[in-house]
Amino acid sequence: DAGVIQSPRHEVTEMGQEVTLRCKPISGHDYLFWYRQTMMRGLELLIYFNNNVPIDDSGMPEDRFSAKMPNASFSTLKIQPSEPRDSAVYFCASSGVAGFTDEQYFGPGTRLTVT
Amino acid sequence: GDSVTQMEGPVTLSEEAFLTINCTYTATGYPSLFWYVQYPGEGLQLLLKATKADDKGSNKGFEATYRKETTSFHLEKGSVQVSDSAVYFCALSDRGSGGSNYKLTFGKGTLLTVNP
Repeated sequence: DAGVIQSPRHEVTEMGQEVTLRCKPISGHDYLFWYRQTMMRGLELLIYFNNNVPIDDSGMPEDRFSAKMPNASFSTLKIQPSEPRDSAVYFCASSGVAGFTDEQYFGPGTRLTVT
Repeated sequence: GDSVTQMEGPVTLSEEAFLTINCTYTATGYPSLFWYVQYPGEGLQLLLKATKADDKGSNKGFEATYRKETTSFHLEKGSVQVSDSAVYFCALSDRGSGGSNYKLTFGKGTLLTVNP
């Protein structure tokens, strides 16, 4: 398997622009997670899905952030409008049936820079 | 709420030295505990895990024991190598209080540098 695939790997955009990050989980995995990593706040869970359904989005920082999972092989994280404080590395991860007690497989991340 | 506290880094060691990275936690339920490792420019990878008290997780020479009485999950390795240089994250998963949803909480991470 190719592992978790994320695109783009790097994104540079101007404040106010819409940003869409993409993720393809490992085939057969039931859970998908979106994380954000910054030096100040460390690694934060933003939202997770089980069988394409959003379960907990309490980590989403504000209404500018939204995430969707239209099918089992694709998810997006959208920021609209983007702000400089959104600059971070965003990781997608997936895991099997056991969810949180199972190993999470992380993608390589998308490094977002908002100027 | 749940929290994970790791020792502050960075940690710099010479090759073949003994490694300990301390991790303590607070949780409302009976969490599972994990150590993840992040190599430069990559995503996190599971290093080891333990799902109940007194379990010992081990992998690639690393070990950690789930200590409920001290709420700790310290990472150890007897002889580190240059290739172990990375950021190490302690994490726990637990059902959040007041709900049925699991929460996964990471520590801040500890940067380890091993010199030849």
